[in-house]
Amino acid sequence: SYELTQPPSVSVSPGQTASITCSGDKLRNRYSSWYQQKPGQSPVLVIYQDTKRPSGIPERFSGSNSENTATLTISGTQAVDEADYYCQAWDSSTWVFGGGTNLIVL
Amino acid sequence: EVRLVESGGGLVEPGGSLRLSCAASGFTFSNAWMSWVRQAPGKGLEWVGRIKSKTDGGTTDNAAPVKGRFIISRDDSKNTLYLQMNSLKTEDTAIYYCTTMFDWGQGTLVTVSS
Repeated sequence: SYELTQPPSVSVSPGQTASITCSGDKLRNRYSSWYQQKPGQSPVLVIYQDTKRPSGIPERFSGSNSENTATLTISGTQAVDEADYYCQAWDSSTWVFGGGTNLIVL
Repeated sequence: EVRLVESGGGLVEPGGSLRLSCAASGFTFSNAWMSWVRQAPGKGLEWVGRIKSKTDGGTTDNAAPVKGRFIISRDDSKNTLYLQMNSLKTEDTAIYYCTTMFDWGQGTLVTVSS
């Protein structure tokens, strides 16, 4: 079965750029999405189809997908961005999630 | 405003059954592909399954861990999504979310324990 691999945690200083990676075999051939989840809350879609932002998502969130790695980039990271982030891709007719990355803003 | 409201969660013994509902509003439910995603306590997100819109065939796909035990259905006249869970196992304990991908409900907790 298809697998997506994320680093367990990423640390970033406020105002700096955070990059969270998601690795999977030939991931470039599949659309990737990213979800943000804060403690006790439901997930929120922040990036879909590799690079698109849903309405209401700040411009500091961006995505890319090349070869085997999709990347979520948060420019000018703010304290409110501290959360778990999950990548997701399609495998045949199923969704696959990465294990999640805890973004620490300190 | 899109709203997805799950209900039906609770405590059930191993081997038991439970039916979850997800009431949708604020969008054309009949056109939407709907999914269930779960999250075990302290763990990551896990896709459970999906049902297509009837115009796209209305077919379902389930994740391997629940195949043959869980059934996803929809009632477009009631704007409601369902998840029938049978032969429940302790490892099915989780918060269950319904989602269009763009919007998510608040989730309902299912606890499988004796």
